[in-house]
Amino acid sequence: KAGVTQTPRYLIKTRGQQVTLSCSPISGHRSVSWYQQTPGQGLQFLFEYFSETQRNKGNFPGRFSGRQFSNSRSEMNVSTLELGDSALYLCASSLVGGPRSTDTQYFGPGTRLTVL
Amino acid sequence: DQQVKQNSPSLSVQEGRISILNCDYTNSMFDYFLWYKKYPAEGPTFLISISSIKDKNEDGRFTVFLNKSAKHLSLHIVPSQPGDSAVYFCAASGWSGGYQKVTFGTGTKLQVIP
Repeated sequence: KAGVTQTPRYLIKTRGQQVTLSCSPISGHRSVSWYQQTPGQGLQFLFEYFSETQRNKGNFPGRFSGRQFSNSRSEMNVSTLELGDSALYLCASSLVGGPRSTDTQYFGPGTRLTVL
Repeated sequence: DQQVKQNSPSLSVQEGRISILNCDYTNSMFDYFLWYKKYPAEGPTFLISISSIKDKNEDGRFTVFLNKSAKHLSLHIVPSQPGDSAVYFCAASGWSGGYQKVTFGTGTKLQVIP
Protein backbone atom coordinates (compact mmCIF):
# COMPACT_ATOMS: atom_id res chain seq x y z
CA LYS A 1 0.00 0.00 0.00
CA ALA A 2 1.07 3.58 -0.55
CA GLY A 3 3.17 5.15 2.17
CA VAL A 4 2.89 8.47 3.90
CA THR A 5 3.14 11.34 1.46
CA GLN A 6 4.10 14.91 2.19
CA THR A 7 3.82 17.95 -0.01
CA PRO A 8 5.65 19.97 -0.99
CA ARG A 9 9.03 18.29 -0.61
CA TYR A 10 10.95 21.57 -0.62
CA LEU A 11 9.89 25.08 0.26
CA ILE A 12 11.68 28.40 0.49
CA LYS A 13 10.06 31.27 2.36
CA THR A 14 11.15 34.56 3.85
CA ARG A 15 10.88 35.75 7.42
CA GLY A 16 7.42 36.87 8.43
CA GLN A 17 5.62 34.75 5.86
CA GLN A 18 3.43 31.82 6.70
CA VAL A 19 3.53 28.30 5.33
CA THR A 20 1.21 25.31 5.13
CA LEU A 21 2.51 21.77 4.83
CA SER A 22 0.40 18.78 3.94
CA CYS A 23 0.53 15.15 4.98
CA SER A 24 -1.50 12.24 3.64
CA PRO A 25 -1.35 9.22 5.94
CA ILE A 26 -1.41 5.60 4.96
CA SER A 27 -4.94 4.54 4.05
CA GLY A 28 -6.79 3.46 7.18
CA HIS A 29 -4.46 5.27 9.57
CA ARG A 30 -6.21 7.76 11.81
CA SER A 31 -3.34 9.18 13.82
CA VAL A 32 -1.00 11.75 12.31
CA SER A 33 1.95 13.20 14.20
CA TRP A 34 4.22 16.05 13.16
CA TYR A 35 7.92 16.40 13.98
CA GLN A 36 10.60 18.99 13.36
CA GLN A 37 14.13 17.82 12.63
CA THR A 38 17.12 20.16 12.85
CA PRO A 39 20.84 19.36 13.06
CA GLY A 40 21.18 20.98 16.47
CA GLN A 41 18.02 19.78 18.19
CA GLY A 42 17.39 16.50 16.46
CA LEU A 43 13.82 15.30 16.16
CA GLN A 44 11.23 17.22 18.14
CA PHE A 45 7.59 16.32 18.52
CA LEU A 46 5.17 19.04 17.46
CA PHE A 47 1.68 17.57 17.85
CA GLU A 48 -0.53 14.62 17.06
CA TYR A 49 -4.01 14.54 15.57
CA PHE A 50 -6.55 11.79 15.84
CA SER A 51 -10.09 11.91 14.48
CA GLU A 52 -9.75 15.59 13.56
CA THR A 53 -8.74 16.54 17.13
CA GLN A 54 -5.38 17.50 18.51
CA ARG A 55 -4.70 14.73 20.98
CA ASN A 56 -1.13 15.51 22.02
CA LYS A 57 1.25 18.40 21.66
CA GLY A 58 4.87 19.26 22.26
CA ASN A 59 6.52 22.45 23.43
CA PHE A 60 6.30 24.62 20.35
CA PRO A 61 4.90 28.18 20.30
CA GLY A 62 1.42 28.95 19.06
CA ARG A 63 2.81 29.97 15.66
CA PHE A 64 2.81 26.25 14.93
CA SER A 65 -0.66 24.87 14.42
CA GLY A 66 -2.30 22.05 12.61
CA ARG A 67 -5.52 20.42 11.68
CA GLN A 68 -6.83 17.11 10.47
CA PHE A 69 -9.59 16.49 8.00
CA SER A 70 -12.25 13.80 7.98
CA ASN A 71 -10.17 11.71 5.57
CA SER A 72 -7.28 11.84 8.10
CA ARG A 73 -5.16 14.09 5.90
CA SER A 74 -3.40 16.66 8.00
CA GLU A 75 -1.97 20.11 7.48
CA MET A 76 0.55 21.99 9.55
CA ASN A 77 0.74 25.76 9.49
CA VAL A 78 3.56 27.98 10.66
CA SER A 79 2.83 31.69 10.84
CA THR A 80 5.28 34.58 11.07
CA LEU A 81 8.22 32.46 10.01
CA GLU A 82 11.56 32.90 11.74
CA LEU A 83 15.00 31.89 10.52
CA GLY A 84 15.12 29.20 13.19
CA ASP A 85 12.10 27.49 11.65
CA SER A 86 14.30 26.19 8.85
CA ALA A 87 14.12 22.44 9.27
CA LEU A 88 12.91 19.15 7.90
CA TYR A 89 9.27 18.66 8.91
CA LEU A 90 8.22 15.05 9.13
CA CYS A 91 4.81 13.61 9.58
CA ALA A 92 4.08 10.10 10.71
CA SER A 93 0.91 8.07 10.65
CA SER A 94 -0.25 5.11 12.65
CA LEU A 95 -3.46 3.12 12.92
CA VAL A 96 -4.91 4.56 16.09
CA GLY A 97 -2.06 5.08 18.54
CA GLY A 98 0.07 8.17 18.82
CA PRO A 99 3.81 8.53 19.17
CA ARG A 100 3.79 6.65 22.44
CA SER A 101 1.70 3.65 21.57
CA THR A 102 2.83 0.26 20.36
CA ASP A 103 1.35 1.07 16.96
CA THR A 104 4.14 1.39 14.48
CA GLN A 105 4.56 4.92 13.20
CA TYR A 106 5.27 5.27 9.52
CA PHE A 107 7.12 8.40 8.55
CA GLY A 108 6.86 10.38 5.35
CA PRO A 109 9.91 11.70 3.48
CA GLY A 110 9.51 15.15 4.97
CA THR A 111 9.22 18.71 3.76
CA ARG A 112 12.46 20.69 3.75
CA LEU A 113 11.61 24.26 4.74
CA THR A 114 14.19 27.00 4.29
CA VAL A 115 13.48 30.42 5.75
CA LEU A 116 15.57 33.26 4.34
CA ASP B 1 18.23 21.63 27.79
CA GLN B 2 18.63 18.29 26.06
CA GLN B 3 16.49 15.88 28.04
CA VAL B 4 17.41 12.91 25.89
CA LYS B 5 21.05 12.50 25.03
CA GLN B 6 22.89 10.25 22.66
CA ASN B 7 26.48 11.09 23.49
CA SER B 8 28.06 9.10 20.69
CA PRO B 9 27.40 10.79 17.36
CA SER B 10 28.87 7.83 15.49
CA LEU B 11 29.82 4.19 15.95
CA SER B 12 31.68 1.70 13.73
CA VAL B 13 31.28 -2.04 14.19
CA GLN B 14 32.47 -5.08 12.26
CA GLU B 15 29.84 -7.20 10.58
CA GLY B 16 28.76 -10.06 12.83
CA ARG B 17 29.72 -8.26 16.02
CA ILE B 18 27.43 -6.60 18.54
CA SER B 19 26.42 -2.96 18.14
CA ILE B 20 25.50 -1.12 21.33
CA LEU B 21 23.86 2.26 21.06
CA ASN B 22 23.33 4.26 24.21
CA CYS B 23 20.84 6.85 25.31
CA ASP B 24 20.51 8.81 28.57
CA TYR B 25 17.56 10.83 29.78
CA THR B 26 17.09 13.29 32.58
CA ASN B 27 13.35 13.64 33.10
CA SER B 28 11.73 11.16 35.47
CA MET B 29 8.33 11.67 33.84
CA PHE B 30 9.44 9.62 30.82
CA ASP B 31 7.92 6.17 31.02
CA TYR B 32 7.98 4.89 27.46
CA PHE B 33 10.99 4.69 25.20
CA LEU B 34 11.41 4.06 21.50
CA TRP B 35 14.19 3.53 18.99
CA TYR B 36 13.99 4.62 15.37
CA LYS B 37 16.28 3.92 12.44
CA LYS B 38 16.79 6.44 9.66
CA TYR B 39 18.38 5.95 6.27
CA PRO B 40 19.54 8.99 4.28
CA ALA B 41 16.74 10.77 2.41
CA GLU B 42 14.09 8.70 4.20
CA GLY B 43 11.94 9.30 7.25
CA PRO B 44 12.69 7.45 10.50
CA THR B 45 11.42 3.89 10.85
CA PHE B 46 10.15 2.58 14.15
CA LEU B 47 12.39 -0.18 15.44
CA ILE B 48 11.54 -1.23 18.97
CA SER B 49 10.07 0.20 22.15
CA ILE B 50 10.02 -0.47 25.85
CA SER B 51 7.77 0.53 28.71
CA SER B 52 9.23 1.59 32.02
CA ILE B 53 7.66 -1.40 33.72
CA LYS B 54 10.10 -3.62 31.85
CA ASP B 55 13.86 -3.71 31.78
CA LYS B 56 14.28 -5.59 28.53
CA ASN B 57 12.45 -6.04 25.26
CA GLU B 58 13.64 -8.26 22.46
CA ASP B 59 12.67 -8.42 18.80
CA GLY B 60 14.82 -10.62 16.62
CA ARG B 61 18.33 -9.21 16.44
CA PHE B 62 17.30 -6.09 18.35
CA THR B 63 17.13 -5.84 22.14
CA VAL B 64 16.48 -2.73 24.17
CA PHE B 65 17.58 -2.55 27.80
CA LEU B 66 16.26 0.00 30.27
CA ASN B 67 17.96 0.96 33.52
CA LYS B 68 15.51 3.29 35.25
CA SER B 69 17.69 4.06 38.23
CA ALA B 70 20.48 5.21 35.93
CA LYS B 71 18.03 6.80 33.47
CA HIS B 72 19.79 4.92 30.72
CA LEU B 73 18.67 2.78 27.83
CA SER B 74 20.62 0.92 25.21
CA LEU B 75 19.92 -0.81 21.94
CA HIS B 76 21.83 -3.99 21.16
CA ILE B 77 22.02 -5.33 17.62
CA VAL B 78 23.34 -8.86 17.36
CA PRO B 79 24.73 -9.82 14.93
CA SER B 80 25.28 -6.52 13.16
CA GLN B 81 24.75 -6.50 9.40
CA PRO B 82 25.84 -3.95 6.77
CA GLY B 83 22.15 -3.12 6.17
CA ASP B 84 21.97 -1.88 9.74
CA SER B 85 24.14 1.09 8.79
CA ALA B 86 21.91 4.09 9.49
CA VAL B 87 21.27 6.81 12.03
CA TYR B 88 19.55 5.57 15.17
CA PHE B 89 17.38 7.87 17.28
CA CYS B 90 16.15 7.12 20.76
CA ALA B 91 12.99 8.80 21.98
CA ALA B 92 11.41 9.16 25.38
CA SER B 93 7.78 9.80 26.09
CA GLY B 94 5.77 10.80 29.13
CA TRP B 95 2.64 12.61 30.23
CA SER B 96 2.85 16.29 31.01
CA GLY B 97 0.00 18.74 31.41
CA GLY B 98 -2.51 16.20 30.16
CA TYR B 99 -0.59 15.54 26.95
CA GLN B 100 1.88 12.93 25.85
CA LYS B 101 5.24 14.45 25.09
CA VAL B 102 7.87 12.78 22.98
CA THR B 103 11.48 13.90 23.05
CA PHE B 104 14.14 12.57 20.71
CA GLY B 105 17.89 12.28 21.02
CA THR B 106 20.15 13.74 18.34
CA GLY B 107 21.00 10.36 16.86
CA THR B 108 23.95 8.00 16.53
CA LYS B 109 25.26 7.13 13.09
CA LEU B 110 26.07 3.42 12.97
CA GLN B 111 28.40 2.04 10.34
CA VAL B 112 28.66 -1.72 10.02
CA ILE B 113 31.81 -2.67 8.19
CA PRO B 114 31.64 -5.80 6.02
